[in-house]
Amino acid sequence: DVVMTQSPLSLPVTLGQPASISCTSSQSLVHTDGNTYLNWFQQRPGQSPRRLIYRVSNRDSGVPDRFSGSGSGTDFTLKISRVEAEDVGVYYCMQATHWPSLTFGGGTKVEIK
Amino acid sequence: QAQLVESGGGLVKPGGSLRLSCAASGFSFSDSFMSWIRQAPGRGLELVSYISDSTNIIHYADSVKGRFTISRDNAKNSLYLQMNSLRAEDTAVYYCTNLASSSIDYWGQGTLVTVSS
Repeated sequence: DVVMTQSPLSLPVTLGQPASISCTSSQSLVHTDGNTYLNWFQQRPGQSPRRLIYRVSNRDSGVPDRFSGSGSGTDFTLKISRVEAEDVGVYYCMQATHWPSLTFGGGTKVEIK
Repeated sequence: QAQLVESGGGLVKPGGSLRLSCAASGFSFSDSFMSWIRQAPGRGLELVSYISDSTNIIHYADSVKGRFTISRDNAKNSLYLQMNSLRAEDTAVYYCTNLASSSIDYWGQGTLVTVSS
């Protein structure tokens, strides 16, 4: 199975400041069809996860533009340009390039300092 | 608007069984791969199982293979997970999700399964 490693585990951020989360895969996530199936999910406290980003850098409808995704191959990043209080939660990357086992990163907890 | 509603969770003794259900609406369920994803208390997300639209593709995590069975009823827009020989480590919130274009668009609210004597 592809192992997804996120860092940091915990990310205390001051309101209005940027935040960056790293996700590294044990194998390249470039699919034979040329796409890279790397997704980012946000899980707010007490809620189900929701997708923010698909295929590395495509933001879902309704997701604020302060969220952005980037990366290629095995190294990916989720950035929040200016953290707001509603961004508190745990963020997960997930690869869906290598079936049958779709795998998640361990999560990064974003909290306000 | 897509909606997934899980039910069937609860407290069960080790070695016991439970059947989870997921009622889908607001999207083309019969054309969708569907999955169960779980989250142990304070832990991350783990894919448990998925099933293709026509049921010809089924996958299980190694941790549940031989104990859990995923199924679906497209006429009822419903997804199921039969869980047998339950262990303490199966304690988790179980989410029903779709799988589309190698991603997850929709998540249910989750149902809690607690395995304890």
